[in-house]
Amino acid sequence: QVQLQESGPGLVKPSETVSLICTVSGGSISNDYWSWIRQSPGKGLEWIGYIFHTDNTKYSPSLKSRVTISADTATNRLSLSLTSVTAADTALYFCAREREYCHGLNCFAKTGFDLWGQGILVTVSS
Amino acid sequence: EIVLTQSPATLSLSPGERVTLSCRTSQSVSTYLAWYQQRPGQAPRLLISDASNRATGIPARFSGSGSGTDFTLTISGLEPEDSAIYFCQQRTSWPLTFGGGTKVEIK
Repeated sequence: QVQLQESGPGLVKPSETVSLICTVSGGSISNDYWSWIRQSPGKGLEWIGYIFHTDNTKYSPSLKSRVTISADTATNRLSLSLTSVTAADTALYFCAREREYCHGLNCFAKTGFDLWGQGILVTVSS
Repeated sequence: EIVLTQSPATLSLSPGERVTLSCRTSQSVSTYLAWYQQRPGQAPRLLISDASNRATGIPARFSGSGSGTDFTLTISGLEPEDSAIYFCQQRTSWPLTFGGGTKVEIK
């Protein structure tokens, strides 16, 4: 079965860049839509962005200027880079999957994140 | 950005009771709405996709309904393990957005 596991630093200093990895086992990241989502007490669940077909990305407008999501098919890993972090970026970060379905030549993401990692807590503090 | 408003914020009910949770969207999302359950210390778990389709392995006591801007998640026959926070999420337009959640407590 497909499993997701986030990894990365738990503590980052303000103004630095945080880089997180999501390792996908039991399935290929070449298919489906792969998102990063974060959860903080003040803002609830916040979608950061996703990548599909390994090189197509979409980001939340509120974070677009600071976020990069990429995929490495050789290692079956997804990555999230968030620059210029502040205390407001302190959150539990999840990677999650949406299944893709195709109708003829048109392909879409099926509504609902059906698979989630356990999450990694990132704290921004000096 | 589509805003999702969930109500009530908290519910406290006894085992066996019927639970109805509401999610309203600031504009129509058709049926592109999902529901999740999140227990303490765990990641969210998909319960319902496309407003009314139960996800794999989800008990039949969970059901979803609605379209447009008004949606409902019903738990018919509350079990102790249903104590959790429930979120809705839309997939009609970017950014994908979530509701603030409803906390269900078991008496």
